[in-house]
Amino acid sequence: LAKTTQPISMDSYEGQEVNITCSHNNIATNDYITWYQQFPSQGPRFIIQGYKTKVTNEVASLFIPADRKSSTLSLPRVSLSDTAVYYCLVVETGANNLFFGTGTRLTVIP
Amino acid sequence: DGGITQSPKYLFRKEGQNVTLSCEQNLNHDAMYWYRQDPGQGLRLIYYSQIVNDFQKGDIAEGYSVSREKKESFPLTVTSAQKNPTAFYLCASRRDRGPEAFFGQGTRLTVV
Repeated sequence: LAKTTQPISMDSYEGQEVNITCSHNNIATNDYITWYQQFPSQGPRFIIQGYKTKVTNEVASLFIPADRKSSTLSLPRVSLSDTAVYYCLVVETGANNLFFGTGTRLTVIP
Repeated sequence: DGGITQSPKYLFRKEGQNVTLSCEQNLNHDAMYWYRQDPGQGLRLIYYSQIVNDFQKGDIAEGYSVSREKKESFPLTVTSAQKNPTAFYLCASRRDRGPEAFFGQGTRLTVV
């Protein structure tokens, strides 16, 4: 299973775009990438998933380069309510185990 | 409403006692998971189950036990063998190999 590496923490001002990069050098051909958001004392919430190139939904965008060794979660124009921990997961196609790492703690500053 | 329910929200246990945390889902999901989260830390996988009557150990299964007698239910027992059980416990479910896991609201266990 591909190990992921993310920054431990990031700060951003309100209204800015935030990019959180995750490294997964050992990703396998059949693996895909998912991102979750967690607020304090709550369970994580699925944000977005992708395999390659770019995926966009109403919450975020996910950029995956051709070599797939990294991915970047992009949050447009963050607000204070986006302060949370963001987890990058590499999910093996056909497998049911889900391993979360330590995540990136994003703090949005007024 | 479809969802995943954990109970109780807060639980206090005396040292040396076993305690069982409940997790129920009505999403018709095959896979279910238990995670432990310590303050300021990420989630660590305790056990997961892909189908009824089958479950697999995660990274930190020692001191914990689970059962999966029904598709909807995946209770976790924290045994007296677990050296440091005080933590936030999260249960999740996922459609078989689907992209999205759904989490319950968690149970905060405190050993007193």
